[in-house]
Amino acid sequence: DSGVTQTPKHLITATGQRVTLRCSPRSGDLSVYWYQQSLDQGLQFLIQYYNGEERAKGNILERFSAQQFPDLHSELNLSSLELGDSALYFCASSVGGGGGNQPQHFGDGTRLSIL
Amino acid sequence: GNSVTQMEGPVTLSEEAFLTINCTYTATGYPSLFWYVQYPGEGLQLLLKATKADDKGSNKGFEATYRKETTSFHLEKGSVQVSDSAVYFCALWSGDTGRRALTFGSGTRLQVQP
Repeated sequence: DSGVTQTPKHLITATGQRVTLRCSPRSGDLSVYWYQQSLDQGLQFLIQYYNGEERAKGNILERFSAQQFPDLHSELNLSSLELGDSALYFCASSVGGGGGNQPQHFGDGTRLSIL
Repeated sequence: GNSVTQMEGPVTLSEEAFLTINCTYTATGYPSLFWYVQYPGEGLQLLLKATKADDKGSNKGFEATYRKETTSFHLEKGSVQVSDSAVYFCALWSGDTGRRALTFGSGTRLQVQP
């Protein structure tokens, strides 16, 4: 058990809809990272928050947004969903703001299926 | 930009066989290197890491050595078990400003047969 909790585990919705994925980091971790894992793109970094502030941005679409709340949990919002957004979305957390000596601890992911 | 290249899978081995999964990288500066493992239905777990050239990371019988001259970080295990069946990801973290994130390889699926 990594200590990172993601909800829901599975989400099925239709094109054009909006969904929210939730992540609770390990106790004491201040950074939250979001990743998308798909068959064609592999595992891609989307965005990082550190102590409530956006820290780094990867390949995140404009239709997607995220935030980290004062209690350090994070939400990833996906809107105007397309079939290609079907993927496994992972959240990870680390103690500090990110660095080579700070391993990231991953949740079990949310599987999003767009019909 | 940064990139990680892993050998294509699946890799199928018999129990107690020797394992090598190749990983090479492209990065500026001095990245940290990681191997993560993903068991079916689970998230990624850190397997081992190395933060500077010639460092050897090791865990659960797995080893990998950070080779800067060949830009490689190959994963090895002397005797695999059925329970090692999983997908293995090589990753790097670069401290370059504006790109402080893990870059993952495409993953290599390992299947160990009894």
